[in-house]
Amino acid sequence: AQTVTQSQPEMSVQEAETVTLSCTYDTSESDYYLFWYKQPPSRQMILVIRQEAYKQQNATENRFSVNFQKAAKSFSLKISDSQLGDAAMYFCAYRSPTGTASKLTFGTGTRLQVTL
Amino acid sequence: GAVVSQHPSRVICKSGTSVKIECRSLDFQATTMFWYRQFPKQSLMLMATSNEGSKATYEQGVEKDKFLINHASLTLSTLTVTSAHPEDSSFYICSAQRVPYEQYFGPGTRLTVT
Repeated sequence: AQTVTQSQPEMSVQEAETVTLSCTYDTSESDYYLFWYKQPPSRQMILVIRQEAYKQQNATENRFSVNFQKAAKSFSLKISDSQLGDAAMYFCAYRSPTGTASKLTFGTGTRLQVTL
Repeated sequence: GAVVSQHPSRVICKSGTSVKIECRSLDFQATTMFWYRQFPKQSLMLMATSNEGSKATYEQGVEKDKFLINHASLTLSTLTVTSAHPEDSSFYICSAQRVPYEQYFGPGTRLTVT
């Protein structure tokens, strides 16, 4: 079974600064998907960014980018120019390729605080 | 696009009664929907996978007779908590899978059993 580990329960960043959230995972599969989800106080889960394992290029979405190291099974999220609205719980998630095993496996989450 | 709704957003029920939670994909068809449970300050725990027109697949440790799931159409899945008890109080979240791999989440339902 796949496992996802987020070793940072809480992180803090000043507004406009950059922060990196860590995620490692364990799998024996060669093809899979990785995601970062944001859960603000409203508790609505929002997809931040997605990475396909077969792609070597790191995914980017505006101020959000990932550092995907497949051999190390590491998938960190970098938030640049942090904004107050970035304050939330961030969950790293793993998903097998489309098929019967298409469920998401979540990490335990990292609570990000953004300070002035 | 890709909006998922849940109803109700909050529900309070008495111990021993049943409560139904609806999950709808509003602008896409979802052959697969998922039901999660989230305790305060914890991660999402998958309860079951709901496939349209077939029986749900429950995760280990989840009582299928207590948490009844019905996926009657390509846009609607329901979770019924039967004979609810205070320990069933939690935040329940559904998600709908849009081919080929994206899951979109509903806003969640807070269940309180008194």
